[in-house]
Amino acid sequence: GNSVTQMEGPVTLSEEAFLTINCTYTATGYPSLFWYVQYPGEGLQLLLKATKADDKGSNKGFEATYRKETTSFHLEKGSVQVSDSAVYFCALRDSNYQLIWGAGTKLIIKP
Amino acid sequence: KAGVTQTPRYLIKTRGQQVTLSCSPISGHRSVSWYQQTPGQGLQFLFEYFSETQRNKGNFPGRFSGRQFSNSRSEMNVSTLELGDSALYLCASSSDRGPYNEQFFGPGTRLTVL
Repeated sequence: GNSVTQMEGPVTLSEEAFLTINCTYTATGYPSLFWYVQYPGEGLQLLLKATKADDKGSNKGFEATYRKETTSFHLEKGSVQVSDSAVYFCALRDSNYQLIWGAGTKLIIKP
Repeated sequence: KAGVTQTPRYLIKTRGQQVTLSCSPISGHRSVSWYQQTPGQGLQFLFEYFSETQRNKGNFPGRFSGRQFSNSRSEMNVSTLELGDSALYLCASSSDRGPYNEQFFGPGTRLTVL
C-alpha cells in the first residue's frame, strides 16, 4: 500500500543552520506530495506542495522537489530561525484523495 | 474568511461513554475530512464527506462514525469510548475533491478518555 517515511526526530539545529528533513514515499500512480507544519498547540498548516515530477514547492524559505526517480520529497531551508521550531509532516494524496502521512519530524532550533 | 472551526476544543470522557465532535468548514468548502492524531500511531485518516455523502473511510472500527449536513458542517461520533481513543481529532476542509486541492485544518479537539 501507499506509505510515507520521514527521518526520525528530533532534529536540533542552531539558528541560521541549513535544514534538510528527508521524506521518501511508496505509491502507485502519481500522487501529489505535501509538507505540513504543526506549531505547538495548533492545527496543521500546509507549508508547500508539488503535484508532478520535478515540481518544486516553496514557501517561507522552505523548498522541496518532487523526485520520482528516487521517490523523495526532501524539505530544505537555507537558514533556519527559532520560529521554525515545530513538527513537520510529509504527506501524499493518493488516487482516493486520501492523505497518507509520515510520522512527523520535530525540529528544534536553538538561538 | 473564517478558518475551519472545531468544537469543543477539549473534552474529557470516561470509558464506555460516547462523544460527538463538531467541525465547521471554511465557507464554500464542500469536502470535510477527519483525522486522528496520537503519539503512537501518528496521523490517521478517519473518513471524508463530500456533499453529505461519505466518500472515503479509513481503517477504524464501526464505533467511529460521522455525518455531514447540507451546510457542509460535519460531526463525528465515537461510541463506547476506550482509553485508546484519547487523541487529537483534526478536521480539514477543502473546496473540492481533486487531488491537488489544499486541505485546511482546524485546531483540533483534544479528547481524553479516563
